[in-house]
Amino acid sequence: AQSVAQPEDQVNVAEGNPLTVKCTYSVSGNPYLFWYVQYPNRGLQFLLKYITGDNLVKGSYGFEAEFNKSQTSFHLKKPSALVSDSALYFCAVRDPISSGSARQLTFGSGTQLTVLP
Amino acid sequence: GAGVSQSPRYKVAKRGQDVALRCDPISGHVSLFWYQQALGQGPEFLTYFQNEAQLDKSGLPSDRFFAERPEGSVSTLKIQRTQQEDSAVYLCASSLSMDYGYTFGSGTRLTVV
Repeated sequence: AQSVAQPEDQVNVAEGNPLTVKCTYSVSGNPYLFWYVQYPNRGLQFLLKYITGDNLVKGSYGFEAEFNKSQTSFHLKKPSALVSDSALYFCAVRDPISSGSARQLTFGSGTQLTVLP
Repeated sequence: GAGVSQSPRYKVAKRGQDVALRCDPISGHVSLFWYQQALGQGPEFLTYFQNEAQLDKSGLPSDRFFAERPEGSVSTLKIQRTQQEDSAVYLCASSLSMDYGYTFGSGTRLTVV
């Protein structure tokens, strides 16, 4: 079974500082990995994905994430945080070679990012 | 349309009522998913359609939950005899291809009183 862990419920960072939101995963095969952001009373917005290729993935709004197979991690990063980045962030994984419900995404529990002015 | 559309945005139901939640996916997206998101939690998978075929309903929490997509486009999630634990945001997502990820709708917030 596939699973995702986001070890931090809350991350606070000062505006202009770099930010990291952590994610680790567990799958039986090579993972498809995603980051989504959710603003209050809104659906999930896609930020970036890793399918294959370069371990450093660049996405929307200046976010990037690094796939680390040995550490089974896919941490989300941004060099300089903005107050408007404050939101709930979800990491998700899919194992493309699993049978059955392989097409579904499995989400972490989310990390609330607060960027302080 | 340009995105995944869900209606209603908010629904308040009395315990025991039946509700129907609608999802209008992006045109041409063959895959459609329903997720349930409880307050403060990540979305949990409910069911998956490929065109009109429901290929996976392993996440439906009970037989009170039923989903359909009869023409391979619009989908409806029905909850019979609602209970308070059904209160959550119900998210719909569609996808053209797994490699392109999923596009989510804004969700329907269901409150059972």
